[in-house]
Amino acid sequence: DGGITQSPKYLFRKEGQNVTLSCEQNLNHDAMYWYRQDPGQGLRLIYYSQIVNDFQKGDIAEGYSVSREKKESFPLTVTSAQKNPTAFYLCASLGKSKTGELFFGEGSRLTVL
Amino acid sequence: QKEVEQNSGPLSVPEGAIASLNCTYSDRGSQSFFWYRQYSGKSPELIMFIYSNGDKEDGRFTAQLNKASQYVSLLIRDSQPSDSATYLCAVIYSGAGSYQLTFGKGTKLSVIP
Repeated sequence: DGGITQSPKYLFRKEGQNVTLSCEQNLNHDAMYWYRQDPGQGLRLIYYSQIVNDFQKGDIAEGYSVSREKKESFPLTVTSAQKNPTAFYLCASLGKSKTGELFFGEGSRLTVL
Repeated sequence: QKEVEQNSGPLSVPEGAIASLNCTYSDRGSQSFFWYRQYSGKSPELIMFIYSNGDKEDGRFTAQLNKASQYVSLLIRDSQPSDSATYLCAVIYSGAGSYQLTFGKGTKLSVIP
C-alpha cells in the first residue's frame, strides 16, 4: 500500500546528541514537509522540499537540518543546537491533485533525557 | 508572518448537538482551506477542504468560507462521541513558487454522551 513511513516511532536522546528521523514515501509525491507539534499546539513547519536536491526553511528551522537526495526520502536531523527538541515530529507529502491534501506519516515522538 | 487563529477550547457539546468550530486567517492571498481531525497521539487526517466562498457539505460535516471576513468554519451535525478530537484549521498560501500549509493551534472538541 502507498503511504508515508516514519521511523522510529519513539526515540530517546541524551542532551548533546544529534538524532536523525527517517521519512520515506512511495506515493511519488514531489513535495515533502516536516512539522513539529508540542502539547496543545498546532503544527509548526520546520523544513520543506518541493523537489529533489532542494529544500527551504520553515518557521522554526534553527537546530534542524534536512536532505533530499532521493524523491522518496526526506530525513530530518535534530542537532544538539536545538534547545528544546522534545516533541512530536510529523512528516508529510503533498498530493498531486488540486485539493492540496497533505498525507501524513504516523509521527515520531522524540524525548530528550 | 501568515497566521491562523483558532479558539483552543475545549469545546464541549452533548451527543446529537451541532458543534461549531471557527478559524480566522491573516493572509488575504490564501487560496485553499482545510480542516483536519487529530486524535490524541495520532497524525492528522483530512476531513474537509474548501476553496470558494459559501458552504460545502459532506455527510455530517459542513465547511463555510467567507473570504471577505477571512474566516472559515466547520459545523458537525449530530455530534458523536467518536468526534471527540482536536480539529486543526489549515490554510494554503501559494506564491513565489512555494506551497506552504499553515496550521492553527487546534480546537479540542469533547462530545458528551
